[in-house]
Amino acid sequence: DTAVSQTPKYLVTQMGNDKSIKCEQNLGHDTMYWYKQDSKKFLKIMFSYNNKELIINETVPNRFSPKSPDKAHLNLHINSLELGDSAVYFCASSHATNEKLFFGSGTQLSVL
Amino acid sequence: GDSVTQMEGPVTLSEEAFLTINCTYTATGYPSLFWYVQYPGEGLQLLLKATKADDKGSNKGFEATYRKETTSFHLEKGSVQVSDSAVYFCALRPSGYSTLTFGKGTMLLVSP
Repeated sequence: DTAVSQTPKYLVTQMGNDKSIKCEQNLGHDTMYWYKQDSKKFLKIMFSYNNKELIINETVPNRFSPKSPDKAHLNLHINSLELGDSAVYFCASSHATNEKLFFGSGTQLSVL
Repeated sequence: GDSVTQMEGPVTLSEEAFLTINCTYTATGYPSLFWYVQYPGEGLQLLLKATKADDKGSNKGFEATYRKETTSFHLEKGSVQVSDSAVYFCALRPSGYSTLTFGKGTMLLVSP
């Protein structure tokens, strides 16, 4: 069973569209994250949720809105997509007291 | 703020060569230090970690020692294999926080 699963794996869309990426973890973790990886492989934290509460919100445009319906899910909704949003988005989870992050396999978003 | 600096890649080696990937950090207090590895098309996986000064993390033949005096956590392997080709990320986690700060990643390419 996949520990952290994201869907879709690939997402190609036009500028101005709204899209969502879903993430689920079956590890019983209470903390989940979204990271953005640009074309140069630089990885940057976007959001972190602990027990469905937002605890970290880095400098991210408000077109990005995370939603955590329960501890096992953290979805990312993006409004009015722009060319610069093209990247690979990684979901991750951890136990609050454990330092190890478990990553999903990523969603490659291409905005045309 | 906290930051991690890694050597620029790609690092290109022949099989069985010795590997060093440099990593230095800036942080207050006593962060935990990590190396994550990203194989092509996959999410990041924890490779090794060290939580206090002079600790040595090791896994799959890779090693790194937490050096507080030089604020470094260099990754080494005595004899690389083609299967080690991947992107390697150094990361730190400040004490009391759940979020990792990643370096920019170093691509390693090993040829037969």
